[in-house]
Amino acid sequence: GAGVSQSPRYKVAKRGQDVALRCDPISGHVSLFWYQQALGQGPEFLTYFQNEAQLDKSGLPSDRFFAERPEGSVSTLKIQRTQQEDSAVYLCASSFVTSGGADTQYFGPGTRLTVL
Amino acid sequence: DAKTTQPPSMDCAEGRAANLPCNHSTISGNEYVYWYRQIHSQGPQYIIHGLKNNETNEMASLIITEDRKSSTLILPHATLRDTAVYYCIVRVRGRDDKIIFGKGTRLHILP
Repeated sequence: GAGVSQSPRYKVAKRGQDVALRCDPISGHVSLFWYQQALGQGPEFLTYFQNEAQLDKSGLPSDRFFAERPEGSVSTLKIQRTQQEDSAVYLCASSFVTSGGADTQYFGPGTRLTVL
Repeated sequence: DAKTTQPPSMDCAEGRAANLPCNHSTISGNEYVYWYRQIHSQGPQYIIHGLKNNETNEMASLIITEDRKSSTLILPHATLRDTAVYYCIVRVRGRDDKIIFGKGTRLHILP
């Protein structure tokens, strides 16, 4: 079936603008993760949902970052008053919870955000 | 912080075996070794994981030392499409939890 999809694939914002990044997880996947990847670095965790509940948001860098998943499926990562340091690739991943616990995370292609 | 150490880059000739090392000297008894790779402009892709026995699937083989302090990912016949950043990760299996990535190894396959 279809994998994790993200939109837009590329976003250019002027400093101070608000942006919204969308993630469509694999159908039926309970868990959803957001990661931020700076140039030349590995992905870094931002936040995690199980269904509609946000269970971990310890990686969000500031209160300008907000994520939601109101119906337990599609998720949106919102960044308010964007700054140049927010420029990065934002990756979404989903996984399903089995009786043995979730295991493999499946990643989307990411959204490349450039803040001018 | 990542619990693994990998060389920043490696080269491998096309058609040869690519052997990617990883050190994880502080690995705990219930932690598995996972490998992901990230091809340019794509999200990370799961490759393989193991606990203490060697593992093989259609993509690669994973060799874990007896003391579990290091491992090697083997791509048996590397192709140009294997050019990517390879991440070695240590985590508890089955835990619905974030992945802590390091910087990985950038593998260049040379034609």
